[in-house]
Amino acid sequence: GAGVSQSPRYKVAKRGQDVALRCDPISGHVSLFWYQQALGQGPEFLTYFQNEAQLDKSGLPSDRFFAERPEGSVSTLKIQRTQQEDSAVYLCASSRDRAFIPVYNEQFFGPGTRLTVL
Amino acid sequence: TQLLEQSPQFLSIQEGENLTVYCNSSSVFSSLQWYRQEPGEGPVLLVTVVTGGEVKKLKRLTFQFGDARKDSSLHITAAQPGDTGLYLCAGAEDNFNKFYFGSGTKLNVKP
Repeated sequence: GAGVSQSPRYKVAKRGQDVALRCDPISGHVSLFWYQQALGQGPEFLTYFQNEAQLDKSGLPSDRFFAERPEGSVSTLKIQRTQQEDSAVYLCASSRDRAFIPVYNEQFFGPGTRLTVL
Repeated sequence: TQLLEQSPQFLSIQEGENLTVYCNSSSVFSSLQWYRQEPGEGPVLLVTVVTGGEVKKLKRLTFQFGDARKDSSLHITAAQPGDTGLYLCAGAEDNFNKFYFGSGTKLNVKP
């Protein structure tokens, strides 16, 4: 079956532009996560959805970052007035269930969107 | 700021050698996962450990979770070029829905 897909794969933006990054999770997956991965670093948690509800957005670096998942499937991460420090790979992951049992919490990652802000 | 420290950051070895990668934290985690990430792709889960002292084996890879659930190690026996990649550990808080990743160990296995 299809895995997690993200689009675009690459995005170049001028400083100050708004960008929107899309994530298509695995069909039927309840949980969806966004991560930011800077060059040479591990992913850092941004936000988490359970269906359409955004349950944790503690990792969003500023109010320029906004994420939504209005129908509980596709999600969009929007960054307003992009800055150079926003340059990173943005990873999306989904997992099957919301149960607090590790075996149900395997996260399947998409390939990421590499954002470069000039 | 990353709660999990991985060492070494870089490792370049010859095919056939053994290696160990470490993942340490001052925090206690309910579960810990190991991932491998290749360039241009997302991380892929290798294993999840949940019990202090737990040891899991996956072919030539052996994973151990520390007794206090603060640290973990990944040991690879007889490394092969196909093992090349970025190895990441990730710890989950109690609710299992927020994961903290380490900074990764970049492994290069030369033929």
